[in-house]
Amino acid sequence: QVQLVESGGGVVQPGGSLRLSCAASGFTFSSYGMHWVRQAPGKGLEWVAFIRYDGSNKYYADSVKGRFTISRDNSKNTLYLQMNSLRAEDTAVYYCAKDFWDSYDYWGQGTLVTVSS
Amino acid sequence: QSALTQPPSVSGSPGQSVTISCTGTSSDVGSYNRVSWYQQPPGTAPKLMIYEVSNRPSGVPDRFSGSKSGNTASLTISGLQAEDEADYYCSSYTSSSTYVFGTGTKVTVL
Repeated sequence: QVQLVESGGGVVQPGGSLRLSCAASGFTFSSYGMHWVRQAPGKGLEWVAFIRYDGSNKYYADSVKGRFTISRDNSKNTLYLQMNSLRAEDTAVYYCAKDFWDSYDYWGQGTLVTVSS
Repeated sequence: QSALTQPPSVSGSPGQSVTISCTGTSSDVGSYNRVSWYQQPPGTAPKLMIYEVSNRPSGVPDRFSGSKSGNTASLTISGLQAEDEADYYCSSYTSSSTYVFGTGTKVTVL
């Protein structure tokens, strides 16, 4: 069965950096695009970034462009999100999700990132 | 990248039907059939309910149906059940090769 397991969340100071990981199993990871989606406490879902199956193209929400970098290692079945210059408004649960015809058919359990001094 | 517009809440009695609207623009909902819907009970990860406007993944009850007209997509839940109480979000692909979610709708079963 498909499993997505995020890790790397935690508490970081404003201006700091953090790298999230998403370990995938149960499907051919190298054949599918992948997304990061976040949800601030008590708020709605916000799409963050997408990477094509082979890493050839990457797309970002305006709110994170220039600060966050999505990447993947198909040999390790792992998706990453490098987050720099973090702000209080980046505080959220971050989910990785598998792409399926421009929808998200499988989600991880999420990892909480808290940006606070 | 403005969020798609959904009503904050809808409610219905068991057995009734409710419809959630999702209004975007000609740059997203109006131009692509890449509209999807998600159910999120409190404290859980979202679950895909509808993809490509009206397709149901296996395992999703046929009480859930989707449609689109112009810049507005809709999710209808027929025969409402207590277990359907949750937050619902729409999502669309956009002309910028990005994605956008709706503002979310809380469904309450009376």
